[in-house]
Amino acid sequence: SQQGEEDPQALSIQEGENATMNCSYKTSINNLQWYRQNSGRGLVHLILIRSNEREKHSGRLRVTLDTSKKSSSLLITASRAADTASYFCATDLSDTGRRALTFGSGTRLQVQP
Amino acid sequence: NAGVTQTPKFQVLKTGQSMTLQCAQDMNHEYMSWYRQDPGMGLRLIHYSVGAGITDQGEVPNGYNVSRSTTEDFPLRLLSAAPSQTSVYFCASSYSSSGSGQPQHFGDGTRLSIL
Repeated sequence: SQQGEEDPQALSIQEGENATMNCSYKTSINNLQWYRQNSGRGLVHLILIRSNEREKHSGRLRVTLDTSKKSSSLLITASRAADTASYFCATDLSDTGRRALTFGSGTRLQVQP
Repeated sequence: NAGVTQTPKFQVLKTGQSMTLQCAQDMNHEYMSWYRQDPGMGLRLIHYSVGAGITDQGEVPNGYNVSRSTTEDFPLRLLSAAPSQTSVYFCASSYSSSGSGQPQHFGDGTRLSIL
């Protein structure tokens, strides 16, 4: 089963608008990561937020984490056509012996020029 | 510095054939892993390794074998290919042997079709 679930599954916006994607998870985590995947390519790490952090910024990206609601959001400000990609959250679980990330099914973002 | 290199990029197999998907990284990372990506299902962990000589099963290990004889290489073997193994396979690595708190570096994937 998927630990992280992104919402919405697909999002289409105009260039210059902001894009917000949400991720919900089920169990306690050590940290949560966001990745981008361009069509036909591997995943690229965007940002990591630890369980004791509430907000983190990187350029036009803003990630929030609410451990009480078991949710995270990724905000891309002033979107560009080049931001068109799928975005995945990945959780690093704190209560399992498995040392691996668990990925959600992703949000497909389309930015119209 | 090539990062994570996967070969081949595309492969078509017949049911029952075996093959090895290659993965190599040149970043001296301790942690390596294999995922499969199916439409609408995100990535699912197949096997992972926290260092040379150490491997462990992930979420969907059946039908796959791995070994880690060197830090650089982590091949994935399909023992007897089945149509259900048609997927895109990604190899990833990270510095930390715990796999925790470190960004994963991904290869560009191997697109595998089983007829």
